[in-house]
Amino acid sequence: KAGVTQTPRYLIKTRGQQVTLSCSPISGHRSVSWYQQTPGQGLQFLFEYFSETQRNKGNFPGRFSGRQFSNSRSEMNVSTLELGDSALYLCASSLEGMSEEFFGPGTRLTVL
Amino acid sequence: QQPVQSPQAVILREGEDAVINCSSSKALYSVHWYRQKHGEAPVFLMILLKGGEQKGHEKISASFNEKKQQSSLYLTASQLSYSGTYFCGTEGSSNTGKLIFGQGTTLQVKP
Repeated sequence: KAGVTQTPRYLIKTRGQQVTLSCSPISGHRSVSWYQQTPGQGLQFLFEYFSETQRNKGNFPGRFSGRQFSNSRSEMNVSTLELGDSALYLCASSLEGMSEEFFGPGTRLTVL
Repeated sequence: QQPVQSPQAVILREGEDAVINCSSSKALYSVHWYRQKHGEAPVFLMILLKGGEQKGHEKISASFNEKKQQSSLYLTASQLSYSGTYFCGTEGSSNTGKLIFGQGTTLQVKP
């Protein structure tokens, strides 16, 4: 079974731009969560999507948004990028009702 | 509330033991442990449900003290392959299915 895939793996943007990251979950997984990982902060939960609906949301500004498609693939968008948005963005998928998360390799975003 | 992990970092020699703690200020339904090697995605190690059970995975085991809202990860006779950052993820007693992760504990095992 293929794992969680994320594209692109690396991204360099400048302040003020916007970016879209993509995540394809494991086949059969309908829950997709997004996390931001920065040194010393661990994994900060951004949001979770299930059946195309946002089910949970973390404490991030409205510049961070996401969506999920009918095939469970998810995208995350960050608008008006700031230097502090530089981080590894991880996507994780899970089976309905199960809290075990399967993580993708992440997208390393650098904001200059 | 983000669980607190301690220590933040630990350096071991091969064959030594280590304990990583994870504490929460809220009642917990479950605790999950993940390991992330440098440049890789976090990988699930084990889940502990309330009830004080202890689980093992090779020479890595964990306990969950529901009353203390605390979990500990035990690494016995550490190997070089144990190096990485360990995260605990906690699920509150409302069983929402969402995990809140600690800040991580970096473990380095030296020959």
